[in-house]
Amino acid sequence: DTAVSQTPKYLVTQMGNDKSIKCEQNLGHDTMYWYKQDSKKFLKIMFSYNNKELIINETVPNRFSPKSPDKAHLNLHINSLELGDSAVYFCASSPDNSNQPQHFGDGTRLSIL
Amino acid sequence: DQQVKQNSPSLSVQEGRISILNCDYTNSMFDYFLWYKKYPAEGPTFLISISSIKDKNEDGRFTVFLNKSAKHLSLHIVPSQPGDSAVYFCAASADTGAQKLVFGQGTRLTINP
Repeated sequence: DTAVSQTPKYLVTQMGNDKSIKCEQNLGHDTMYWYKQDSKKFLKIMFSYNNKELIINETVPNRFSPKSPDKAHLNLHINSLELGDSAVYFCASSPDNSNQPQHFGDGTRLSIL
Repeated sequence: DQQVKQNSPSLSVQEGRISILNCDYTNSMFDYFLWYKKYPAEGPTFLISISSIKDKNEDGRFTVFLNKSAKHLSLHIVPSQPGDSAVYFCAASADTGAQKLVFGQGTRLTINP
């Protein structure tokens, strides 16, 4: 009965490869997010989708492309992986109401060799 | 340009005593603030929030205080319990939808028996 689930939990890959991280929420929320937690432990928002529509797009390289097939899923595709992409990526979701907290998945640790 | 700062990377408190975690922000447009708790290998879990129209919000052992003039908020945990040992993140939002959260870098709280 996991609320926000991400797969895989760990991802180790070579520089230059293309990879995807999947996220699904069963909370019936309208909005989903991707965050990146870097080596300094800051959690920074990357993207936000509301009912499959992109509403927040922070300064993120074009190599990162979110895709939302429906409002319960938000996947993150990363092309031409670089060493600096190594981080923990968190998916989150929230209701489409004001001042409602976001619910986070357990993260995907991406390591680039 | 870190808009939300938690200047104490770690804090150690005796079980049963009060834990006080601090957070400062620079953006005067922030009007909604949240505290999240994070255990290792898990995602952040929402703990408590406060709107800028209030200066205090309480939920069981957890109380959040907001000082808008000082751009400062704090989380009080009393009494502290071993299960409270975790990393605590402060977050802020400048829109009523609470959708674009800006996080601090976290404070690791350790409760000693």
